[in-house]
Amino acid sequence: GESVGLHLPTLSVQEGDNSIINCAYSNSASDYFIWYKQESGKGPQFIIDIRSNMDKRQGQRVTVLLNKTVKHLSLQIAATQPGDSAVYFCAESGRGGKLIFGQGTELSVKP
Amino acid sequence: DTAVSQTPKYLVTQMGNDKSIKCEQNLGHDTMYWYKQDSKKFLKIMFSYNNKELIINETVPNRFSPKSPDKAHLNLHINSLELGDSAVYFCASSPSGSPQYTQYFGPGTRLTVL
Repeated sequence: GESVGLHLPTLSVQEGDNSIINCAYSNSASDYFIWYKQESGKGPQFIIDIRSNMDKRQGQRVTVLLNKTVKHLSLQIAATQPGDSAVYFCAESGRGGKLIFGQGTELSVKP
Repeated sequence: DTAVSQTPKYLVTQMGNDKSIKCEQNLGHDTMYWYKQDSKKFLKIMFSYNNKELIINETVPNRFSPKSPDKAHLNLHINSLELGDSAVYFCASSPSGSPQYTQYFGPGTRLTVL
């Protein structure tokens, strides 16, 4: 079946360090992937996306890498700040256009 | 202005009751969604509507019935509430049903069934 999984449920980093959040997906036919950030008590917020014809995409302080060979996705956050503390979800496009979300990784930034 | 709003934010009710959650989006989007987030933060789609037409209906119990009076609103009615229905329910919207359009989420409704 379709599934998206994360390697680590929690990640703690020092303020100013870079963060890397990983995600594995199972559907090799997926052609669109998204990262969402969910702060406590709020809904998920779009961060960055990538299509399957790309292997890297950069945004402001964030980079998403896609490795289709091993079906792996990662989100890199540069110079992590306290405001980056949240749960991060990867999601892939599934049958019928629905998004399939991974478990989520909780990022904690230490001052 | 809030793009996707939900009411109520919190809902506490007894088992067996019937309750509704309302969702409105002012983004002019054609597609709206309901997701359920469990206690482990796992997010799973329940339904999607495109221009008031049901597009996605996951394996959700018949006790859950979405209703879309117009494309800016998607309400969720739940009959005979059970303990396992306790979760946070998120409404979302996107310009169309293609996943390549960003989905914008509401703030969530935390449902607690006692």
